Amino acid sequence: GESVGLHLPTLSVQEGDNSIINCAYSNSASDYFIWYKQESGKGPQFIIDIRSNMDKRQGQRVTVLLNKTVKHLSLQIAATQPGDSAVYFCAENVTGANNLFFGTGTRLTVIP
Amino acid sequence: DAGVIQSPRHEVTEMGQEVTLRCKPISGHDYLFWYRQTMMRGLELLIYFNNNVPIDDSGMPEDRFSAKMPNASFSTLKIQPSEPRDSAVYFCASSSPSGEQYFGPGTRLTVT
Repeated sequence: GESVGLHLPTLSVQEGDNSIINCAYSNSASDYFIWYKQESGKGPQFIIDIRSNMDKRQGQRVTVLLNKTVKHLSLQIAATQPGDSAVYFCAENVTGANNLFFGTGTRLTVIP
Repeated sequence: DAGVIQSPRHEVTEMGQEVTLRCKPISGHDYLFWYRQTMMRGLELLIYFNNNVPIDDSGMPEDRFSAKMPNASFSTLKIQPSEPRDSAVYFCASSSPSGEQYFGPGTRLTVT
């Protein structure tokens, strides 16, 4: 259900460490998932996506893992840098529906 | 490509006034989305268009909100009359049928 006010989960990591951001999705029919990064004062920016026929997908310094059994998605960022500090959203979609449903986001803070 | 363009970037208006937000999607994208982001409710989909036709407007809060897409390169979101609770950041995004959504920089609306 809706919360009275959103309390973003937060994650603080040391520069150079790996970060893992988790997301639980709700619709078992969702078959397309995206991670977005939103820096202060900017719009969400696409990071990486994955379709439900995959368990893992890698990009540059980022890896997305999908566990359909427990409806869980994670974003791993290797060698986290100060520029990675932002709010990270997962979004889910059902093919053909075209609209995305966004999670509440996780705020990542990288400590220099 | 310049990406999704939104104007104005900031809007301050008094309660009761009409507000019009503008969006130019990425050329070639045939889906356009309007979102609202607040601390209380996070990122919410208001309405989306496919080939200039509104497909789902179930997220539009009430009759004070209206959106149009007169052609493939322009859309407006209008609030009339505006209220303080409409204060938020409004994002426009566009996508191709099987692609991720690209977000604009947003319009920060403040209604006093």
